[in-house]
Amino acid sequence: NAGVTQTPKFQVLKTGQSMTLQCAQDMNHNSMYWYRQDPGMGLRLIYYSASEGTTDKGEVPNGYNVSRLNKREFSLRLESAAPSQTSVYFCASTIGGRGAFFGQGTRLTVV
Amino acid sequence: AQSVSQHNHHVILSEAASLELGCNYSYGGTVNLFWYVQYPGQHLQLLLKYFSGDPLVKGIKGFEAEFIKSKFSFNLRKPSVQWSDTAEYFCAVISDSNYQLIWGAGTKLIIKP
Repeated sequence: NAGVTQTPKFQVLKTGQSMTLQCAQDMNHNSMYWYRQDPGMGLRLIYYSASEGTTDKGEVPNGYNVSRLNKREFSLRLESAAPSQTSVYFCASTIGGRGAFFGQGTRLTVV
Repeated sequence: AQSVSQHNHHVILSEAASLELGCNYSYGGTVNLFWYVQYPGQHLQLLLKYFSGDPLVKGIKGFEAEFIKSKFSFNLRKPSVQWSDTAEYFCAVISDSNYQLIWGAGTKLIIKP
């Protein structure tokens, strides 16, 4: 099925470990986003990529890096995980102003 | 800066009650407006959207929303809620200036059976 595929669905890390969250979309969308969702805080934008080859910081970029590998893929990397990065992460893609499609989410726990 | 405000963070209703969730945005240009729903343990799904034309838009599961340009509002309504409507609802806006999604903080809706 067409859509946004996000992996992994669950992950537990120790403080200081690194990991990469993968996201791929097969809808030929230009823009891709990484959000984190925390209780009572809604969705907060970490990074976004308006088009292949470009990335920009969002509201809460500290502690994260991203890579827009090609038009389909947009990965999020935590170089040195911290407990404050325990959250649910969502990848999304859009084309122009037509609305967003979301991945299933990654529940990350940093202990 | 562009922003989206959702007036209520938590709403508790009984089944069959009518629902209205408020959403206001701050941007004077052309916008596309969305409501998303997130059921417990699931990802966000598009409920309905407004791009142009009839300001009253109908979405899935009996939801509708009305775009009132003069009030910068896009309130979500449902005449009679069901227990299965328990979820978190997010309003979002894309402006024609930068095509970035701007999100409201969300409203948690709990329907008592």
